[in-house]
Amino acid sequence: GAVVSQHPSWVICKSGTSVKIECRSLDFQATTMFWYRQFPKQSLMLMATSNEGSKATYEQGVEKDKFLINHASLTLSTLTVTSAHPEDSSFYICSARDWASNEQFFGPGTRLTVL
Amino acid sequence: AQSVTQLDSQVPVFEEAPVELRCNYSSSVSVYLFWYVQYPNQGLQLLLKYLSGSTLVKGINGFEAEFNKSQTSFHLRKPSVHISDTAEYFCAVSDGGDYKLSFGAGTTVTVRA
Repeated sequence: GAVVSQHPSWVICKSGTSVKIECRSLDFQATTMFWYRQFPKQSLMLMATSNEGSKATYEQGVEKDKFLINHASLTLSTLTVTSAHPEDSSFYICSARDWASNEQFFGPGTRLTVL
Repeated sequence: AQSVTQLDSQVPVFEEAPVELRCNYSSSVSVYLFWYVQYPNQGLQLLLKYLSGSTLVKGINGFEAEFNKSQTSFHLRKPSVHISDTAEYFCAVSDGGDYKLSFGAGTTVTVRA
């Protein structure tokens, strides 16, 4: 089956630093990738839609300058949390839409802890 | 816009007993419906989906769900659960146009021996 990977699986950083999270579709091409945020014991909240070769579309209330998204190829999207603060600590999950089947596959998530 | 309501936040159940997780949705257009399972500190795994056709959908791990358009529901069932079914379950809806998923709040299933 289709596999989506995320790197790193977890990261701890100091307040004020930036953190980059990668999302890769390993065996299919993804024209669209989605980034979600999940707080403990809560559901997934869509942050943005990442389209290959174009600017990401952010959901209402999500700061585009804080959460930079780049989708440079059909298999890679990156989310950079800039000037991270403790309130940015969360579980970030990406998903990738297979252009051939339109199915969406989820990555294993990245646990970000900002000290 | 669509939304999803999962009526039960926590469902404790004994091993080998049946379980039903309730999901209701609201949408002004035709929808696609999904159930996902999430194990601790992991991403989501698709259990099953309804796109069109038969309203009874069978998925992995013995789960099934029934789409009821008149009641705008998509309840998930399993006739006999295992300890390994302990996880968080999410119902999701998409209108298909932009492939965005809207998730319910989730239901925590705890299976006890």
